Amino acid sequence: RKEVEQDPGPFNVPEGATVAFNCTYSNSASQSFFWYRQDCRKEPKLLMSVYSSGNEDGRFTAQLNRASQYISLLIRDSKLSDSATYLCAVRSNQGGKLIFGQGTELSVKP
Amino acid sequence: EAGVAQSPRYKIIEKRQSVAFWCNPISGHATLYWYQQILGQGPKLLIQFQNNGVVDDSQLPKDRFSAERLKGVDSTLKIQPAKLEDSAVYLCASSLDGTYGYTFGSGTRLTVV
Repeated sequence: RKEVEQDPGPFNVPEGATVAFNCTYSNSASQSFFWYRQDCRKEPKLLMSVYSSGNEDGRFTAQLNRASQYISLLIRDSKLSDSATYLCAVRSNQGGKLIFGQGTELSVKP
Repeated sequence: EAGVAQSPRYKIIEKRQSVAFWCNPISGHATLYWYQQILGQGPKLLIQFQNNGVVDDSQLPKDRFSAERLKGVDSTLKIQPAKLEDSAVYLCASSLDGTYGYTFGSGTRLTVV
């Protein structure tokens, strides 16, 4: 089993739709959680951290479920510019390295 | 604040040749990471430095890959000899102290033919 697994993609949605991505992790001692966005042929960029109580940044909402060992990202009112690959990342309990999922591609259509 | 600098942006080499990548992290960032990202996959950690010491190199193919971070600032990653399966984007990232998400450089896209 992979340490971090994401929903297989791609997700194709119309503008204005709400879309949710899930990510599961295997190490119950994991401490920190993040969502990154990666545009085609670009480097990953930090989208948001995921806090235990859940957190929101504009149209983006991230949630953590420690009991079930998954994190989620909800995007409301999708824009064309949201088209990208979304990577979840989990910090192990050692040293600070981030372990990434394989990414989920989102394509928002007009 | 200047970002993480990497060079070259692109490199094409033949199999069995050697190649080196360079990374300059954000000023003051003690932790530096090299990741390999194969097309369609997420980034995979190759090596992590804390200042000039290695913290984690468990997934570095040491028979052909080497990395160093002299003086705790710049870092180089070398592959010798390269194989076809090394074709990937090599991403460098840095972090102030490893407690938050990190900042990636723009990467070096390596094609081995």
